[in-house]
Amino acid sequence: EIVLTQSPATLSLSPGERATLSCRASQSVSSYLAWYQQKPGQAPRLLIYDASNRATGIPARFSGSGSGTDFTLTISSLEPEDFAVYYCQQRSNWPGATFGQGTRLEIK
Amino acid sequence: EVQLVESGGGLVQPGGSLRLSCAASGFTFSSYEMNWVRQAPGKGLEWVSYISSSGSTIYYADSVKGRFTISRDNAKNSLYLQMNSLRAEDTAVYYCARDGVVVPAAPFDYWGQGTLVTVSS
Repeated sequence: EIVLTQSPATLSLSPGERATLSCRASQSVSSYLAWYQQKPGQAPRLLIYDASNRATGIPARFSGSGSGTDFTLTISSLEPEDFAVYYCQQRSNWPGATFGQGTRLEIK
Repeated sequence: EVQLVESGGGLVQPGGSLRLSCAASGFTFSSYEMNWVRQAPGKGLEWVSYISSSGSTIYYADSVKGRFTISRDNAKNSLYLQMNSLRAEDTAVYYCARDGVVVPAAPFDYWGQGTLVTVSS
């Protein structure tokens, strides 16, 4: 089973700052990596798929990069609504899926 | 507008059964593969099961194999999850999630709001 490890577990930043979230896979997942945002009491929302493609309606301040085992989600300038939990997900063994444990982005 | 609305959650005793439903609207349900994903209280996300658009191909996570059954009724635009032999560790919010059109390895592009299942005596 492919394990995804996200870091850091918690990231404390201020609005306007740049956020960099990491996701590392235990073995190559090619580019089959997605990122989701989840706010309290809400369902996850797809942000990025295939490592670097923004989903429909996602602002340009969100970007993804990486391939193989190392991936990054970058939020260029944090807005108040961006503080949430972020999960990475791989589906290289489709149709199964595994998720990282999440990174909590909190207001400093 | 794509909508997925889950129902059927509740409190059930260990060893009991529950059937979850997911009503889909705003898209051609019969053309999309679907999934169930769960989230234990305060925990991360866990994929549970997948069903192809026709219902002919089904997969389960090892943690639920042999106890849960996924199905769909394309005429009713509905997805189901029959859960038997429930355990305390099955306590979670259960989401239905649509496979996107990206191939291969589509992400989950739309999610329902979730329904809470609590397994406790």
